[in-house]
Amino acid sequence: EVQLVESGGGLVQPGGSLRLSCVSSGFSLSDSYLDWVRQGPGKGLEWVGRIRNKANSYTTEYAASVKGRFTISRDDSKNSLYLQMNSLKTEDAAVYYCARVTGVAIDVWGQGTLVTVSS
Amino acid sequence: EIVLTQSPATLSLSPGERATLSCRASQSISNKLGWYQQKPGQAPRLLIYDTSNRATGIPARFSGSGSGTDFTLTISSLQPEDFAVYYCHQRASWPPVTFGGGTKVEIK
Repeated sequence: EVQLVESGGGLVQPGGSLRLSCVSSGFSLSDSYLDWVRQGPGKGLEWVGRIRNKANSYTTEYAASVKGRFTISRDDSKNSLYLQMNSLKTEDAAVYYCARVTGVAIDVWGQGTLVTVSS
Repeated sequence: EIVLTQSPATLSLSPGERATLSCRASQSISNKLGWYQQKPGQAPRLLIYDTSNRATGIPARFSGSGSGTDFTLTISSLQPEDFAVYYCHQRASWPPVTFGGGTKVEIK
């Protein structure tokens, strides 16, 4: 079964840091672009950022709301994707999903990991 | 940035009825639009890609149409499991990747 599983969510104080991880099973991440998408409580889907594959030099793109604070990385040898979140704000509280991007859609999503930002 | 506007925000219908959901883009996105279904506590699920192509395992009662800036997701006969929130998504121009605000299909 093709699957993505996130981990690393939790409670963090404003200004703090957190690192999320996402591991794939049933397929290799190496050829794929990968996204992080978040969903605040009771809100819609918000794209966080994307990392391209090795053939495209692992370059990254970010939403304006997180640029300079969040960093996406990957380790294809471990079939893993990461999201390093620094200088967290209360508005960053959300369920964070990792997702696989194909040529036509975001087709596989993880189950999500909850990040709470509160003092 | 391409803004996607979904309407209505909420659609109240009975099982067996036809649902018509709209997504409008702020500029032309050709046919590069997808639809996702999300149920409470679950991740989004891909339904339709590139306007009208059903993803693997998606029932034929789901169909998509449109082009340019105006798109429609139709559910021909609502089943109990179809009551959920639906999001449109464009891949024509990024960054940023954008989603619509969602349409909730609820039981009347």
